Amino acid sequence: GGIITQTPKFLIGQEGQKLTLKCQQNFNHDTMYWYRQDSGKGLRLIYYSITENDLQKGDLSEGYDASREKKSSFSLTVTSAQKNEMAVFLCASRSPGGQNTLYFGAGTRLSVL
Amino acid sequence: QQKVQQSPESLIVPEGGMASLNCTSSDRNVDYFWWYRQHSGKSPKMLMSIFSNGEKEEGRFTVHLNKASLHTSLHIRDSQPSDSALYLCAASKSQGGRALIFGTGTTVSVSP
Repeated sequence: GGIITQTPKFLIGQEGQKLTLKCQQNFNHDTMYWYRQDSGKGLRLIYYSITENDLQKGDLSEGYDASREKKSSFSLTVTSAQKNEMAVFLCASRSPGGQNTLYFGAGTRLSVL
Repeated sequence: QQKVQQSPESLIVPEGGMASLNCTSSDRNVDYFWWYRQHSGKSPKMLMSIFSNGEKEEGRFTVHLNKASLHTSLHIRDSQPSDSALYLCAASKSQGGRALIFGTGTTVSVSP
């Protein structure tokens, strides 16, 4: 079986700071995703990528940049952290065919002071 | 604008009882559905998928899909305390759709 590794697990930033979150997968999946989850609520799509060097914006892309330089990795940058922002950022990759299941990493928990 | 709506927001079910959750897409292009379950402090895990009209059963879990109304429902029978979790509905376009949109979720609490 494969695994999705997100780093760091916890990220504390200052208002206005640029922050980068990283995600690695060894499933060899083509499509990868970044979602934001606030307070145990639903997931909101920030960016997704269907292959290396491809980037597609989700509904929540404003304030974020993404990068997919390798098939196995997908990074997300918060361009300017907002004061008192708290959320969990979840990375996922999608299995091709069949049920098209998304496999998630453990998440990065962001707090902005 | 949320394209995938879930109801109710939260649900309390007695142990052994039936839980019924609903999900509707407001985007007619979106008609493939999944149900994910997220236990507290964990990541979501896929529970069931449904892509065609009708019903699908796996153990204590049954999903229904009505493509005409873009509505899917998840039913959990003989609910167990371990079923207490956030249930997330997700949807995408059936043809080549890669963007998977999640709903706001239903929190299920099973009381012993």
